[in-house]
Amino acid sequence: EAGVAQSPRYKIIEKRQSVAFWCNPISGHATLYWYQQILGQGPKLLIQFQNNGVVDDSQLPKDRFSAERLKGVDSTLKIQPAKLEDSAVYLCASSLVSGRLQYFGAGTRLSVL
Amino acid sequence: AQSVTQPDIHITVSEGASLELRCNYSYGATPYLFWYVQSPGQGLQLLLKYFSGDTLVQGIKGFEAEFKRSQSSFNLRKPSVHWSDAAEYFCAVGARSGNTPLVFGKGTRLSVIA
Repeated sequence: EAGVAQSPRYKIIEKRQSVAFWCNPISGHATLYWYQQILGQGPKLLIQFQNNGVVDDSQLPKDRFSAERLKGVDSTLKIQPAKLEDSAVYLCASSLVSGRLQYFGAGTRLSVL
Repeated sequence: AQSVTQPDIHITVSEGASLELRCNYSYGATPYLFWYVQSPGQGLQLLLKYFSGDTLVQGIKGFEAEFKRSQSSFNLRKPSVHWSDAAEYFCAVGARSGNTPLVFGKGTRLSVIA
């Protein structure tokens, strides 16, 4: 069974630039999550999708972050414009049932200079 | 609100020694409980989980954890640590109903010395 795929693995941008991350969940997993993990901290949920609908985006900075999950499969997370404090690892996870076992991708490490 | 506390930021153990990583949670009911491990540059890998039943759960790589309701704890243990166990360990809690997300602790970094 293929795992959660994320790309790119690394990204370096300057502040005020835009960036996008891509995630392909495990086949058949209806729930998809995007987490932000700042160095030295645990992952923090940014947004949760159930199929292609948003379940929870309460901690997503909506003035600069956006996410979509068209057709209920792949998802993209965008930051525009980026700030220095957005430097983090962005993790995508998926689960068959919401709130249960989550499987994580390798993450995208973003550095904003 | 749910919260998870991992009191130890960094632990160093000798190879072959036993290990216990602490996790305390705050939650209004019995939650789902998880331990994940993260190696440098990698995503999170599930070590073990507790949903119900036997409070001592076995996981991969020789790890186990014990759910203690009275202490709101879910400590991770391993009888003999290997150098390859050096990584970051995260405890997480999830609700048994609804769509509430996992809440993670801040992690414990494990170093293993010869």
